[in-house]
Amino acid sequence: QSVVTQPPSASGTPGQRVTISCSGSSSNIGSNFVYWYQQLPGTAPKLLIYRNNQRPSGVPDRFSGSKSGTSASLAISGLRSEDEADYYCAPWDDSLGGPVFGGGTKLTVL
Amino acid sequence: QVHLVQSGAEVKKPGASVKVSCKASGYTFTSYDINWVRQVPGQGLEWMGWMNPNNGDSGFAQKFQARVTMTRNTSINTAYMELTSLRSEDTAVYYCAVLSTETTSSFDYWGQGTLVTVSS
Repeated sequence: QSVVTQPPSASGTPGQRVTISCSGSSSNIGSNFVYWYQQLPGTAPKLLIYRNNQRPSGVPDRFSGSKSGTSASLAISGLRSEDEADYYCAPWDDSLGGPVFGGGTKLTVL
Repeated sequence: QVHLVQSGAEVKKPGASVKVSCKASGYTFTSYDINWVRQVPGQGLEWMGWMNPNNGDSGFAQKFQARVTMTRNTSINTAYMELTSLRSEDTAVYYCAVLSTETTSSFDYWGQGTLVTVSS
């Protein structure tokens, strides 16, 4: 059970906008950057968002991140079938001394 | 380009130890910490700890503190993670990674993962 909470599942139809939430505490999200990863089945996680809202080169601008207080969210607009994957938020946690991964959200594109 | 290439799958008996390697290329090995993250089949990601390839310093999540060692061989740009006293709950894919959470940049790379199966 992670100290950072995500909904276990989310879904949307092609073209829709979907948001995935990430709720933490003052020792993680409240005082540190949030990172988001996408994991396709059978592959290693891929960085989607760093420093709350920055996109690495090559990540489409359909993906965006935001943070407020001890919560963060990932928004995916113009949903596509290839976005079907597991998504993890990962803020640094001061108590852990490392990154704490949320439990993950499985996104289904209907 | 940057690559982290891990050793192959392992099958171990309960109580045994496993040592997974992670060979880095495409960047200066001593510039970034190597982290280890594991994923139990069908479950989420769990950070285990970090190792500084420059000086060998390491830090671990409390859960693994007593059972994990992280080392490196700078002559061959390779990091190692050894987990002892294995139990069935340690069956997982183990990843080495340079994490953006530490670099605070987009420099973020993962190995392909090593499946460790613990079974009698």
